Amino acid sequence: DTEVTQTPKHLVMGMTNKKSLKCEQHMGHRAMYWYKQKAKKPPELMFVYSYEKLSINESVPSRFSPECPNSSLLNLHLHALQPEDSALYLCASSPGGGRDEKLFFGSGTQLSVL
Amino acid sequence: GEDVEQSLFLSVREGDSSVINCTYTDSSSTYLYWYKQEPGAGLQLLTYIFSNMDMKQDQRLTVLLNKKDKHLSLRIADTQTGDSAIYFCADTASKLTFGTGTRLQVTL
Repeated sequence: DTEVTQTPKHLVMGMTNKKSLKCEQHMGHRAMYWYKQKAKKPPELMFVYSYEKLSINESVPSRFSPECPNSSLLNLHLHALQPEDSALYLCASSPGGGRDEKLFFGSGTQLSVL
Repeated sequence: GEDVEQSLFLSVREGDSSVINCTYTDSSSTYLYWYKQEPGAGLQLLTYIFSNMDMKQDQRLTVLLNKKDKHLSLRIADTQTGDSAIYFCADTASKLTFGTGTRLQVTL
């Protein structure tokens, strides 16, 4: 299995809602990532978990809260988002989180905040 | 910070070769990558090159690396309509940093 699975594929939420994005991989990878991608822009790194510990937080606002329950699962909890948070949220994984590792991406969750 | 630049758009005819270019500023990467993103999808790793190589060929794909000029290119031979996508180069100088992306349009 070489897939990274993200759910849901699409999400529409209001600014007062609480929702969660989910990501799962069964490649035995020990590093997982959240990226945010606005239309016609490259992905921007948000968070990195390595061996289930948060290793990088790219100064992301606290309305985004990551969680890594185990090495196969990664969640992104969303609360009180703003319309400008609308974007494609991509999850990725890599074997160990080293600097030069190849990343495997999921298909993303297209988020719209109304 | 690291800058990775690409031209925004490239249009080629089906069957022709496509060349997508990338320039970067930080030369400490061990690997440089090319990713492909189709509409509404995630990023797919296409190919990569080790930083001490000049060229790598992988079926229809050829990667050229000029370390002196900090220039990377991806050549797609016999371009097909299924190659229409956005192509991102990426380096790993400090973390995976993506280029600005080149949208490849393949016309019949």
